[in-house]
Amino acid sequence: LAKTTQPISMDSYEGQEVNITCSHNNIATNDYITWYQQFPSQGPRFIIQGYKTKVTNEVASLFIPADRKSSTLSLPRVSLSDTAVYYCLVGDPLTPLVFGKGTRLSVIA
Amino acid sequence: DTGVSQDPRHKITKRGQNVTFRCDPISEHNRLYWYRQTLGQGPEFLTYFQNEAQLEKSRLLSDRFSAERPKGSFSTLEIQRTEQGDSAMYLCASSTQRQASSYEQYFGPGTRLTVT
Repeated sequence: LAKTTQPISMDSYEGQEVNITCSHNNIATNDYITWYQQFPSQGPRFIIQGYKTKVTNEVASLFIPADRKSSTLSLPRVSLSDTAVYYCLVGDPLTPLVFGKGTRLSVIA
Repeated sequence: DTGVSQDPRHKITKRGQNVTFRCDPISEHNRLYWYRQTLGQGPEFLTYFQNEAQLEKSRLLSDRFSAERPKGSFSTLEIQRTEQGDSAMYLCASSTQRQASSYEQYFGPGTRLTVT
């Protein structure tokens, strides 16, 4: 399973765009890149998933360069309710997930 | 779709006692996963099922842990002779291979275990 590296923490003001970059140098051909969000005392929640290029949904965008060795989760105009831990995962999304420590995002008013 | 449910939400037990947790996945989901999460860490895989078959069990999982999914629907996770190190949040997730646009696991709210 490809190992991922992401910042331990980030701070942002409300209304700003937040970009969280994840490094995954050993990503395999069949691996997907998936991001989950977790609030305190809750289970993780799926945010977005991609294989290559750019994916956008109603909550986020995921940018994946051609070599797929990194990816960037973009959260537009964050609010206080976006304060959470964000996990970047690489692998077959239907097999057991391998979580790192994630990135703790704090949104400040 | 009522989501993944777990019962109980909280459990306090004394060291040496046995505990059992239940997970009800989303009804049409054939895969069910158990994870454990301690403070400040990401969830850690324990075991998973496809229908009633247990496909994989983490090498880190002690023999005191056992899981079942007898009819391919709900699942139970039992911990025998609990130890203080078992204190954690136990998370259940489910998924199906028949996805419209993405492959995701749906997590329940978790069961928080405290061993005193």
